[in-house]
Amino acid sequence: GAVVSQHPSRVICKSGTSVKIECRSLDFQATTMFWYRQFPKQSLMLMATSNEGSKATYEQGVEKDKFLINHASLTLSTLTVTSAHPEDSSFYICSARAPWAGTDTQYFGPGTRLTVL
Amino acid sequence: GESVGLHLPTLSVQEGDNSIINCAYSNSASDYFIWYKQESGKGPQFIIDIRSNMDKRQGQRVTVLLNKTVKHLSLQIAATQPGDSAVYFCAENSGSARQLTFGSGTQLTVLP
Repeated sequence: GAVVSQHPSRVICKSGTSVKIECRSLDFQATTMFWYRQFPKQSLMLMATSNEGSKATYEQGVEKDKFLINHASLTLSTLTVTSAHPEDSSFYICSARAPWAGTDTQYFGPGTRLTVL
Repeated sequence: GESVGLHLPTLSVQEGDNSIINCAYSNSASDYFIWYKQESGKGPQFIIDIRSNMDKRQGQRVTVLLNKTVKHLSLQIAATQPGDSAVYFCAENSGSARQLTFGSGTQLTVLP
């Protein structure tokens, strides 16, 4: 149980285009999902908290107009990188908080490697 | 600001030996800690967690120790195997949204 998927696993795009990344909880419902970014040899940095049915909460320094988050259902959150530039190239990872009581555990997706040319 | 950090960025151990990965945290209000394993090009994989009302928790071949007095967390892996080679992150739960704050990670390499 507690499987989280991401699609696509890898994407290459031209500078100036937009890219959508999907995060799905496959066997549980998640009212809260999280989006992280990870640069090579670095730790995971939280970008935003995605709550089903409400606006996402962005971390300081993360542009909400550039990284659009939509959490339209209890099993799906999407991250759209708008007008992507080479500096946006990174490993994007989502997680979903386990819904069962008594735990704050987050289960992570396999990540999406974004390369902007 | 508050942060979670690791003492050692790299650790090499012989196959079959025990591994100990350490983590220091600074937020005394944190009450939940998790260890994750991340293999190259993959997302973090949950290993074991511990709440602040405990000082030790054991899983399959892994043990997490929590010392709240010195704000120290450790992950012990028994009989380390080649498949254990990965980056290990500690994380603490913080904030009103119960967000995770990750440490900088330790690269564990298991030598044959």
